Amino acid sequence: AQTVTQSQPEMSVQEAETVTLSCTYDTSENNYYLFWYKQPPSRQMILVIRQEAYKQQNATENRFSVNFQKAAKSFSLKISDSQLGDTAMYFCAFLGGKLTFGKGITLSVRP
Amino acid sequence: DGGITQSPKYLFRKEGQNVTLSCEQNLNHDAMYWYRQDPGQGLRLIYYSQIVNDFQKGDIAEGYSVSREKKESFPLTVTSAQKNPTAFYLCASSIGQGTHEQYFGPGTRLTVT
Repeated sequence: AQTVTQSQPEMSVQEAETVTLSCTYDTSENNYYLFWYKQPPSRQMILVIRQEAYKQQNATENRFSVNFQKAAKSFSLKISDSQLGDTAMYFCAFLGGKLTFGKGITLSVRP
Repeated sequence: DGGITQSPKYLFRKEGQNVTLSCEQNLNHDAMYWYRQDPGQGLRLIYYSQIVNDFQKGDIAEGYSVSREKKESFPLTVTSAQKNPTAFYLCASSIGQGTHEQYFGPGTRLTVT
């Protein structure tokens, strides 16, 4: 069974600065997908970024980028130029048949 | 606009009553899912369906039931057998099951007293 670990329960960052959210996972599969989802106070889950395990290039989406280290089974999310609207819970998720979520991290962006 | 709708946003029930949560999508997705979210935890899979008239149990299916009579609809019934039904319930859909990202509805907060 796959497991996803987000060891930091909370983080805080100053507006306009950069923050990195960490995520590790455990699997014996070779082909899979990884995602970061954002859940703002409205509780709507929003897909932030997607990474295919067979791609070596790290995914980027505007201010969001990932550092995917397949051998280390690590998948961190970097948010550049943090904005107040980035305040939310962020979930790392692994897809290898079914979608498995980490417990999430609460990110607060300070003005 | 394409998307997933869940209604109602807040639902209150007395203990011992069954309650059905609605989920509708107009994205033409084949696969649909139900998740439960509790404070301090990630999402846990209740049931999923890859095609019409077919569905499978997820990790925490006990006390829940589903149907998939139409491609667009995947209602979840929380039965009186569910011991701790108070939670936030999220419905999701994807093009197919296993290789595609899932898109989520706005969720339903169920409170049972």
